[in-house]
Amino acid sequence: EPEVTQTPSHQVTQMGQEVILRCVPISNHLYFYWYRQILGQKVEFLVSFYNNEISEKSEIFDDQFSVERPDGSNFTLKIRSTKLEDSAMYFCASSESRGGTGELFFGEGSRLTVL
Amino acid sequence: DAKTTQPNSMESNEEEPVHLPCNHSTISGTDYIHWYRQLPSQGPEYVIHGLTSNVNNRMASLAIAEDRKSSTLILHRATLRDAAVYYCILRRSGGGADGLTFGKGTHLIIQP
Repeated sequence: EPEVTQTPSHQVTQMGQEVILRCVPISNHLYFYWYRQILGQKVEFLVSFYNNEISEKSEIFDDQFSVERPDGSNFTLKIRSTKLEDSAMYFCASSESRGGTGELFFGEGSRLTVL
Repeated sequence: DAKTTQPNSMESNEEEPVHLPCNHSTISGTDYIHWYRQLPSQGPEYVIHGLTSNVNNRMASLAIAEDRKSSTLILHRATLRDAAVYYCILRRSGGGADGLTFGKGTHLIIQP
């Protein structure tokens, strides 16, 4: 069964450093998403991406964050100048369609620890 | 987005059916009802979705009230592997918010 893969599974970084989280969505999917989950809290939407541009972003997704689909297969989330509060699980998801009938497939997540 | 209300937690015994309720009294006519679950230390996983009619798939059944103001996710025979947080989410057809809005969900505990 096709799946969304994420790397790294766990990254530890120092505050102020830049981090890139990588995702390989399911190959025929067109819609891509990043979510995050702080330990013990809800899963929060960050951004959606379609046709090489951001289609929607939440208030969390400020100038510190950026996304890119550099080569037609990977989908990356870059966090510049990480802060302690960026420590969380980051989930990538992809979907073949959007809207009411669109089913999202999630990866296993990348755990980010900022020290 | 229309809001959903779910119990914080439910407990059931292994091999028994589980009925997980969800209220969505402000649902609009174009909102689909989606259920996802999150097993411990894993990403969310799609379970099922529906619009008006009841739906069945290999994982579960979804029963939707006639007025669509509530729905129930049914696990026909719970196993220990079904212990997870279950999220009921409304997703608008034909535009509107693109990302899923997760609430706190229902933490399902399965007793052996």
